[in-house]
Amino acid sequence: LAKTTQPISMDSYEGQEVNITCSHNNIATNDYITWYQQFPSQGPRFIIQGYKTKVTNEVASLFIPADRKSSTLSLPRVSLSDTAVYYCLVGNTGGFKTIFGAGTRLFVKA
Amino acid sequence: DGGITQSPKYLFRKEGQNVTLSCEQNLNHDAMYWYRQDPGQGLRLIYYSQIVNDFQKGDIAEGYSVSREKKESFPLTVTSAQKNPTAFYLCASSTQAGNTDTQYFGPGTRLTVL
Repeated sequence: LAKTTQPISMDSYEGQEVNITCSHNNIATNDYITWYQQFPSQGPRFIIQGYKTKVTNEVASLFIPADRKSSTLSLPRVSLSDTAVYYCLVGNTGGFKTIFGAGTRLFVKA
Repeated sequence: DGGITQSPKYLFRKEGQNVTLSCEQNLNHDAMYWYRQDPGQGLRLIYYSQIVNDFQKGDIAEGYSVSREKKESFPLTVTSAQKNPTAFYLCASSTQAGNTDTQYFGPGTRLTVL
């Protein structure tokens, strides 16, 4: 299973765009990239998933370069309520082994 | 409303006691999971089940036990053999037990050993 590396924490201000990058140098051909969001004392919540190029939904965008060795979660115009921990996961449908690392703690300030 | 529930929200246990955490889902999902989260840390997989009457150990199964007698239910027992059980426990479910399958998490149970 591909190991991921994310920044431990990030600060931002309301209204700014936030980009969180995840490194996964040994990603396999069949691996997908998935991001979850977790608020304190709650379970994680799925944000977005992608395989290559760009994926966008109502919450975020996910940018994946051609070599797929990294990915960037983009949150447009963050608000205070976006303060949370964001996890990057990499894996495929073959078997199951989910690894949630420590994630990235995003602090959004007023 | 479809979803996944955990009870109780807070649980206190004396050392040496076994305790069972409840997890129920009405999403008709085949796969269910239990994770443990310590303060400031990520989630660690305890057990998972891909189908009724079947389950596999995760990374930190020692001191824990599970059962999957019904599709909707996946209770976790924290036994006295678990040396440091104080933690936040999260249950999740997904359509299948694959890494690309979205996991839906419950609200969690915070266990404290007195």
